[in-house]
Amino acid sequence: GAVVSQHPSRVICKSGTSVKIECRSLDFQATTMFWYRQFPKKSLMLMATSNEGSKATYEQGVEKDKFLINHASLTLSTLTVTSAHPEDSSFYICSARTSGSGTGELFFGEGSRLTVL
Amino acid sequence: AQSVTQLDSQVPVFEEAPVELRCNYSSSVSVYLFWYVQYPNQGLQLLLKYLSGSTLVKGINGFEAEFNKSQTSFHLRKPSVHISDTAEYFCAVSRNSGNTPLVFGKGTRLSVIA
Repeated sequence: GAVVSQHPSRVICKSGTSVKIECRSLDFQATTMFWYRQFPKKSLMLMATSNEGSKATYEQGVEKDKFLINHASLTLSTLTVTSAHPEDSSFYICSARTSGSGTGELFFGEGSRLTVL
Repeated sequence: AQSVTQLDSQVPVFEEAPVELRCNYSSSVSVYLFWYVQYPNQGLQLLLKYLSGSTLVKGINGFEAEFNKSQTSFHLRKPSVHISDTAEYFCAVSRNSGNTPLVFGKGTRLSVIA
């Protein structure tokens, strides 16, 4: 199956700093990637849809100035958590489909655990 | 819009016993259905999916699920579980057209007891 890779897998930062998480499709091109956030023992909440070459589409309640998404190429999307605070601590997961996929399946990265002190 | 309800938040089961994890969905349009498994601090791995055709779908690790349109259900089953099946299981749905995201249920924690 297609491979999606995230980096870093774990990051600890101080409150007020910014953190960038990368999501790469390793063996396919992805015009669209989806960013999810997972709270402890809870489901995955869609944060935004990342579109290559255009602005991301954010879900209701997600601060776009807080969670900056850049999809500069067909294999890379980045999520930057700006001025992070402890409440931003969470598990962030990206996903993508192979282009024109009729299988509907989303391939997920390994996730990035952010801890803000 | 679509929604998914996983009726059990936790399911304990003894090793080698059968298990069923329940999932119901709601949608005004035709959908694809999925089951994913998540091990601690990892991403999601696809177990199986229903796109069309036969309503009984078989996946990896001996899991299977049956799509029931009249009951809007997609329950996951395994006839004999192993300790290694202990994980979080998510049912998900998406529209069957367009590059749309998945909507997930809240997950079911399967704990296999030796």
